[in-house]
Amino acid sequence: AQTVTQSQPEMSVQEAETVTLSCTYDTSESDYYLFWYKQPPSRQMILVIRQEAYKQQNATENRFSVNFQKAAKSFSLKISDSQLGDAAMYFCAYRSVGLNDYKLSFGAGTTVTVRA
Amino acid sequence: NAGVTQTPKFQVLKTGQSMTLQCAQDMNHEYMSWYRQDPGMGLRLIHYSVGAGITDQGEVPNGYNVSRSTTEDFPLRLLSAAPSQTSVYFCASSLAGLAGGRADTQYFGPGTRLTVL
Repeated sequence: AQTVTQSQPEMSVQEAETVTLSCTYDTSESDYYLFWYKQPPSRQMILVIRQEAYKQQNATENRFSVNFQKAAKSFSLKISDSQLGDAAMYFCAYRSVGLNDYKLSFGAGTTVTVRA
Repeated sequence: NAGVTQTPKFQVLKTGQSMTLQCAQDMNHEYMSWYRQDPGMGLRLIHYSVGAGITDQGEVPNGYNVSRSTTEDFPLRLLSAAPSQTSVYFCASSLAGLAGGRADTQYFGPGTRLTVL
């Protein structure tokens, strides 16, 4: 399985400010998918954003955007205009594009706290 | 659509007991999987299935069995529970294959918190 590393166990951000979560991964594949999932206290896993490695353009979903650096194997998530509802654990995940290979490899997660 | 449902939400077992965690989806997804979530380790894949009658092992399969007799259901069985299996368990599903060249989102159930004493 590919290794996904999230080096920040916890991050804190002031409401309305911006926070960036880091994620690096190890792979020998040239094509793959990357995801950020949000897990609020309810435990539900919610897809935030996804990136296809063959696309150079960084994905964006409203206040969430990524900085995908393929050569560096880096996939950071930026949360702009942070809101109290953004408080959660965030997981970075990797998926191969091989036939019948739909497995997700997850990082250990980053807990985001939003200060009012 | 109910999406992915899991039962029970909470369970306490004694060492050596057996039980089945239920997972069902109503989205006609071919691919289903089970993950366990432990503190500081993210989610790890236990078993997965690419269709009815087909299952395979993931990263941490020991102590767990699965079967896939229908497209909708993918139960996870603990034959003899151990304290090391105390965890939160998630079931997930997605369409198999690549639709239009894009990865299909995996949808997660609400999770089952299992404690083995």
